[in-house]
Amino acid sequence: ETGVTQTPRHLVMGMTNKKSLKCEQHLGHNAMYWYKQSAKKPLELMFVYSLEERVENNSVPSRFSPECPNSSHLFLHLHTLQPEDSALYLCASSPYQGSGGPYNEQFFGPGTRLTVL
Amino acid sequence: KNEVEQSPQNLTAQEGEFITINCSYSVGISALHWLQQHPGGGIVSLFMLSSGKKKHGRLIATINIQEKHSSLHITASHPRDSAVYICAVSPDYSNYQLIWGAGTKLIIKP
Repeated sequence: ETGVTQTPRHLVMGMTNKKSLKCEQHLGHNAMYWYKQSAKKPLELMFVYSLEERVENNSVPSRFSPECPNSSHLFLHLHTLQPEDSALYLCASSPYQGSGGPYNEQFFGPGTRLTVL
Repeated sequence: KNEVEQSPQNLTAQEGEFITINCSYSVGISALHWLQQHPGGGIVSLFMLSSGKKKHGRLIATINIQEKHSSLHITASHPRDSAVYICAVSPDYSNYQLIWGAGTKLIIKP
């Protein structure tokens, strides 16, 4: 399988549930990203990992917990979510070249449509 | 005021028409991106450019660094071009971040 894959594609969960979103990239990239896309709003960057280390966290609530066990896999663990967390969650990867290097385009997965009841 | 502004927000046109979507930004950038998002969610990168003009099939992207403005053009538009087109910029103060526009929803009627 090629590109960036995400599972599940759709997820419905209650506010007390614990679930995880999975992202896998087969492109040999070393930077991975989680984004949230709410209706009629621009994409919001949640987390960035480079070489498996978290390098940016845009003040995301602690009910979202990322995990990057290796450069090909990225997880987003969810617990005690709120209905306003319902959104499309997108994973992306890029071939980050390090400080001072040119920025490279990001490649996106198909997203997980999350509904919190 | 958002750092990346797109216009129009919505655009409906007839098949065959020439389409222009505009993007203005207010920060220093290392690159500007045009992306396409179809219903269902997946986002595809169309162009990444830092100067001049790029062409891919019926799509053309231009950027004017001095005016901090970019345009995406679609020639001979087709209903399959219907999607949301998003402009994003790589600010020169970050190696990771993209600053996203709100997107332009394009509908091409047959």
